[in-house]
Amino acid sequence: GESVGLHLPTLSVQEGDNSIINCAYSNSASDYFIWYKQESGKGPQFIIDIRSNMDKRQGQRVTVLLNKTVKHLSLQIAATQPGDSAVYFCAENAYSGGGADGLTFGKGTHLIIQP
Amino acid sequence: DAGVTQSPTHLIKTRGQHVTLRCSPISGHKSVSWYQQVLGQGPQFIFQYYEKEERGRGNFPDRFSARQFPNYSSELNVNALLLGDSALYLCASSLVVQGAGEQYFGPGTRLTVT
Repeated sequence: GESVGLHLPTLSVQEGDNSIINCAYSNSASDYFIWYKQESGKGPQFIIDIRSNMDKRQGQRVTVLLNKTVKHLSLQIAATQPGDSAVYFCAENAYSGGGADGLTFGKGTHLIIQP
Repeated sequence: DAGVTQSPTHLIKTRGQHVTLRCSPISGHKSVSWYQQVLGQGPQFIFQYYEKEERGRGNFPDRFSARQFPNYSSELNVNALLLGDSALYLCASSLVVQGAGEQYFGPGTRLTVT
């Protein structure tokens, strides 16, 4: 089975509200986590990353929270806009020094912004 | 600056045929990774190359192979195509070995096997 998964396949929010997308991972050796945004017909776009020695990291309108105790990752998007509509993936990697394992992605959450 | 580029954009092949997909990383990036994304799912790791050497391989059959050239561009080859190989093939580049830095994805090559 997948080592990374998402709780909700679809999330619908009102424009201007905050969005929270959740992700669970099972590999306790994972030490690097990334959130990607993928719009229809495009490749995944890097949003924000976090390493296991941190529990929070902020970017522009986005915040990633990492809870290693329960192996949970979340992406918070402030004041969501129509352009935020996309599928969001969390991905994890256990950096073994050689990076041989690749990123493991979850299935994705489709974020829909209601006007 | 140009991002990761991939060619071709779309491709239609018949079962049993062979296909070659190409990727050019962001200038200065030495690591290239390949992923397969089946419709409705997240990308799955196929290969990673760094400094022209294979650094990692996902759970894909030997029909899948890749190489990286001195200019850090890369090719993914798939032999004896199956219907199940129909997917979006993504290339990602990074400055260093995967896991130690950000990965940037190209737009992908949409492969349809009939």
